[in-house]
Amino acid sequence: QVQLQESGPGLVKPSETLSLTCTVSGVSIRSYYWSWIRQPPGKGLEWMGYIYYSGLTTYNPSLMSRVTMSIDTSKNQFSLKLMSVTAADTAVYYCVTGPFYFASWGQGTLVTVSS
Amino acid sequence: DILMTQSPSSLSASVGDRVTITCRASQSIDKYLNWYQQKSGKAPKLLIFAASTLQSGVPSRFSGSGSGTEFTLTINTLQPDDFATYFCQQSFSSPPTFGGGTMVDIK
Repeated sequence: QVQLQESGPGLVKPSETLSLTCTVSGVSIRSYYWSWIRQPPGKGLEWMGYIYYSGLTTYNPSLMSRVTMSIDTSKNQFSLKLMSVTAADTAVYYCVTGPFYFASWGQGTLVTVSS
Repeated sequence: DILMTQSPSSLSASVGDRVTITCRASQSIDKYLNWYQQKSGKAPKLLIFAASTLQSGVPSRFSGSGSGTEFTLTINTLQPDDFATYFCQQSFSSPPTFGGGTMVDIK
């Protein structure tokens, strides 16, 4: 049973970098592709990108200039960095399995962008 | 990006009803269509992938159909646990995109 848990600051200042980590348990991080999906409060879902254990990444073109994903196989973790955040980046951020459909989800973590 | 449009955006139904939600894609996506259920304050849950394949553990009252640009999610004999928001998502091309959601609430 795959389990995912997001962690990171819940408050980020405008223009700064949002950083989140997802800790995977129950399975080797080498077993799947891993994505980040976000959901602004009361709104829909946006796929941000995926990473594979090899370091292969694919990002949503809408975010490509600001997003970086990385993976640490020794810790069974993968991470998200989103630069130059604005209030529009306020959202619940989920780490999930899969590059194209998403079978397992973390509980999500709310990140608020505010000074 | 492929635009996914769901209808209706919300509906009211009673326990025992049959509910149908429609999802349309802005271009053909073959059968690369997935459905999720999201309850308030929780992460989405995958219900159906590849248009009609039920994810393990999902009750058989959920079913999906369609191909190309038009898809439906049907819930037979609506149960109290089914009141939630439902999203469709295409996995035909990158970036994967979601519909705006359909909220199913109690009549």
